[in-house]
Amino acid sequence: GENVEQHPSTLSVQEGDSAVIKCTYSDSASNYFPWYKQELGKRPQLIIDIRSNVGEKKDQRIAVTLNKTAKHFSLHITETQPEDSAVYFCAASRLYSGGGADGLTFGKGTHLIIQP
Amino acid sequence: EPEVTQTPSHQVTQMGQEVILRCVPISNHLYFYWYRQILGQKVEFLVSFYNNEISEKSEIFDDQFSVERPDGSNFTLKIRSTKLEDSAMYFCASSAPNTGELFFGEGSRLTVL
Repeated sequence: GENVEQHPSTLSVQEGDSAVIKCTYSDSASNYFPWYKQELGKRPQLIIDIRSNVGEKKDQRIAVTLNKTAKHFSLHITETQPEDSAVYFCAASRLYSGGGADGLTFGKGTHLIIQP
Repeated sequence: EPEVTQTPSHQVTQMGQEVILRCVPISNHLYFYWYRQILGQKVEFLVSFYNNEISEKSEIFDDQFSVERPDGSNFTLKIRSTKLEDSAMYFCASSAPNTGELFFGEGSRLTVL
């Protein structure tokens, strides 16, 4: 089955600096890579996702890159703000053409701390 | 905006008791999922459900677990005889047609004493 590794487990950055979180996956059949933000006691919230047919996707201050050959993908947050403080999870799965998907395999999470 | 809803938000039960967690997925979604998250740990996939049957299940989803869609709206997770290690947050999710994007419910916190 799929195995997703995520690093670092904790990341502390100064407000306004950039943060990068990295994940690797093992199953070459995986083609869908979402990132979730989870605040304490809340549900995971999708912040960005990428499919294997593109190498990069950007949404305002958030970007994700994917290297299929190396089987790794990264989350980049620029101009970090205090409200970015949360736990971030990467995940991987296989999407099917009909809209279904294998269950997501999550990484262990990164606790992002934005220092004012 | 449509949401996945879950009940109860918190359930406390004694070890060995049966528990049913309920979910109402978003109405036009066809794929439904249960995930769990032990406190402080990652989210783990339990089971996926499509067309009234299980399409995939993880190693965690053993004979103590079952899922059902008893009517056109509800999707339930039953734990037959709860163990202490079943204490976790259980998230229901459904996925949008053709995109695969998962929408999570707010979760049901299960505490087994």
